[in-house]
Amino acid sequence: GQSLEQPSEVTAVEGAIVQINCTYQTSGFYGLSWYQQHDGGAPTFLSYNALDGLEETGRFSSFLSRSDSYGYLLLQELQMKDSASYFCAVSYSSASKIIFGSGTRLSIRP
Amino acid sequence: NAGVMQNPRHLVRRRGQEARLRCSPMKGHSHVYWYRQLPEEGLKFMVYLQKENIIDESGMPKERFSAEFPKEGPSILRIQQVVRGDSAAYFCASSRGQSSEKLFFGSGTQLSVL
Repeated sequence: GQSLEQPSEVTAVEGAIVQINCTYQTSGFYGLSWYQQHDGGAPTFLSYNALDGLEETGRFSSFLSRSDSYGYLLLQELQMKDSASYFCAVSYSSASKIIFGSGTRLSIRP
Repeated sequence: NAGVMQNPRHLVRRRGQEARLRCSPMKGHSHVYWYRQLPEEGLKFMVYLQKENIIDESGMPKERFSAEFPKEGPSILRIQQVVRGDSAAYFCASSRGQSSEKLFFGSGTQLSVL
């Protein structure tokens, strides 16, 4: 199968930390990416993991465990502008298409 | 450096007409992906193309939809005899290589079928 699962909604407080999980069921897994999309806007790339472990880019970090078919996006020091939808996406070594999850809508309260 | 360019930004068609959506990838990118997105939903994969080749069209409806990426010019997503259910945002993305870890998205075309 090639389905991805992530929570549909998450709410957090400004300045806090939030983790968005993503699990995938796939064979031929190549890598896990994360994208951000603001309402009415285009998706923009955040991070990519092909190997187990944590990748850090400023306030955002992404983690992958290939053995658990699981990854997460960690957002620190949340700002109001981080309110958006976040998508995990899986790329494949054979089919070469990139499949997106249904997205997690992150709402941030002051 | 121009990003991925999509046009038109908004397209209105009546049922039964044809819709043509264009996508010019980033300079140096030879791989193009098309996705469809309904409001409050995720990005649904449609087709993946290289120059003059369709690599994977497993997400394309069997009828009325076609895509191409010619040697010269933009990639085209063509929808014939549109129906109201085709109304959606259509996003194009490009990458430098196959199974690239990073996709660059265009601003999308919002198709509205009356």
